[in-house]
Amino acid sequence: DADVTQTPRNRITKTGKRIMLECSQTKGHDRMYWYRQDPGLGLRLIYYSFDVKDINKGEISDGYSVSRQAQAKFSLSLESAIPNQTALYFCATSDPPGGTGGNQPQHFGDGTRLSIL
Amino acid sequence: AQSVTQLGSHVSVSEGALVLLRCNYSSSVPPYLFWYVQYPNQGLQLLLKYTSAATLVKGINGFEAEFKKSETSFHLTKPSAHMSDAAEYFCAVSENNAGNMLTFGGGTRLMVKP
Repeated sequence: DADVTQTPRNRITKTGKRIMLECSQTKGHDRMYWYRQDPGLGLRLIYYSFDVKDINKGEISDGYSVSRQAQAKFSLSLESAIPNQTALYFCATSDPPGGTGGNQPQHFGDGTRLSIL
Repeated sequence: AQSVTQLGSHVSVSEGALVLLRCNYSSSVPPYLFWYVQYPNQGLQLLLKYTSAATLVKGINGFEAEFKKSETSFHLTKPSAHMSDAAEYFCAVSENNAGNMLTFGGGTRLMVKP
């Protein structure tokens, strides 16, 4: 089983609809992240959470909201989807920085491909 | 502020040839640097990570990268390309006073010709 699971894997919907993308993890990490990937732009951070009570906006949070239901679950919502939110969305998790290893790598799910018509 | 530039959105090599994927970063403090690989329909997998312990970092699948502070570069290399290396590669930077916040480059798609 995957350590970071995203559902659904694919979604096609219409402009104006409310969409929720879900992420769950079994790695026991406190930190969770949502990114979107667009061709040529790499991954851009939408929201991140360092623990259940800590939610922070990333680089491109407008039009999105999140919910951290538990340590293992972090959901991304599009309240009223628009076509330029068509993208590949990734959830990631990590440990906090620490020790000689410094900043820890992030671990990614397989992504949700979202198309908004 | 940190940033990453990957030169070349597409790189094509022949099987057995040297792979060189370029990454330059900008950071106001000593950075942590990462290379990730993305295979089709999959998430990103960590290839290697620079944490200041050694400037030459060896990763999985025969890849390595060298940190050059004077050039602000962290280029990824592999001596001999395999067909299975065809994927998209992302360089990312994280400043050591910014928790685990990653800034990604735009990615380089590697194509391997038989």
